Amino acid sequence: QQQVKQSPQSLIVQKGGISIINCAYENTAFDYFPWYQQFPGKGPALLIAIRPDVSEKKEGRFTISFNKSAKQFSLHIMDSQPGDSATYFCAASPNQGGKLIFGQGTELSVKP
Amino acid sequence: NAGVTQTPKFQVLKTGQSMTLQCAQDMNHEYMSWYRQDPGMGLRLIHYSVGAGITDQGEVPNGYNVSRSTTEDFPLRLLSAAPSQTSVYFCASSYSYTRPLEGYTFGSGTRLTVV
Repeated sequence: QQQVKQSPQSLIVQKGGISIINCAYENTAFDYFPWYQQFPGKGPALLIAIRPDVSEKKEGRFTISFNKSAKQFSLHIMDSQPGDSATYFCAASPNQGGKLIFGQGTELSVKP
Repeated sequence: NAGVTQTPKFQVLKTGQSMTLQCAQDMNHEYMSWYRQDPGMGLRLIHYSVGAGITDQGEVPNGYNVSRSTTEDFPLRLLSAAPSQTSVYFCASSYSYTRPLEGYTFGSGTRLTVV
């Protein structure tokens, strides 16, 4: 059973467009929601993270939107660039603990 | 400062063989974990450790053993390799189990093929 469900599995966006990746979770004990970015041949790296006490967090072109009642959160990449082409993972962690549970991943390709 | 070092980078095993994937970190991180990455499945937690001498199971522990005798090292042992264990394995660490906001540091992975 997948505790964190991520969609779409793959995404193609034109340069300058907006990339949107969605995640949903079921466990109400989750209270930390990070996004990781992975380039080919590399390990994932933390991109941005949010706690459920805020509905949105923005860092540069990357924004997390969080809907606690719907148990959903999403990553928006504004003005997408070819250098953003990577696999993106959402994740969730329970109260006061690490043990990140990851979504299935989204392979993003930004076309020039 | 190497971060998280995984060895080997590539390995081919025959069914039934055993092997150990090595993971070492030099950041004095308390928390270490092993994930496997498979297409369409994301990253799934195999085992984790919140400190030296303490380990616990994740989502997919069957067929794997771990130990944590030092803060720095967290090896993953495959007892009797099966084709279903063909995957990319990542070791990850963080400063503290209770402070995930600082993020995980991942190694560069071990690509394992079992034939």
